[in-house]
Amino acid sequence: DGGITQSPKYLFRKEGQNVTLSCEQNLNHDAMYWYRQDPGQGLRLIYYSQIVNDFQKGDIAEGYSVSREKKESFPLTVTSAQKNPTAFYLCASRIPGKRDGELFFGEGSRLTVL
Amino acid sequence: SQKIEQNSEALNIQEGKTATLTCNYTNYSPAYLQWYRQDPGRGPVFLLLIRENEKEKRKERLKVTFDTTLKQSLFHITASQPADSATYLCALGGFPSGGSYIPTFGRGTSLIVHP
Repeated sequence: DGGITQSPKYLFRKEGQNVTLSCEQNLNHDAMYWYRQDPGQGLRLIYYSQIVNDFQKGDIAEGYSVSREKKESFPLTVTSAQKNPTAFYLCASRIPGKRDGELFFGEGSRLTVL
Repeated sequence: SQKIEQNSEALNIQEGKTATLTCNYTNYSPAYLQWYRQDPGRGPVFLLLIRENEKEKRKERLKVTFDTTLKQSLFHITASQPADSATYLCALGGFPSGGSYIPTFGRGTSLIVHP
């Protein structure tokens, strides 16, 4: 079955450490996205990529980094510069060429900073 | 600044009734609006899309309306069931700076259907 796989589902990090969240899709979608979700808040866009080897900052990119070396993969690194990284992180992809196309989400990764 | 508002209070209804959820927006001219369902600890799942030139869309027990004059969308679930209990997110996409059509999400409204 096609879909988006995020790992790990739960992750604990000590302050000052970088962590990388994995996002893999086999839907053959060009566009991929990372959102952050906090309790009582909407999804906020961190980074997005419309095509391989290209990505753009979203609304809250500070303290995060991404890469897009393969169409299937869009990993997110939460760096020590991110002041409040504890959150639920969601990766999504979208069918190319559809401006109003729906997003397909993974199951999320919950990051807790100890 | 652009703002999307969904009722932060949970909506509690009895099984069999129609649930109506609201999504209001300001300082925005969306080209489309989407509704998603999110269960606790899971990723959102797409339900319905409605475009700016459409007034109403239906899918099985779901109905969504889009009033660009009132800047509001209503999402209805008829004959609601306990299994419909979840958080429902609205997302708007349009023409923000840069020409991107990436949807912007509201915070969602929790629906609780009591048996």
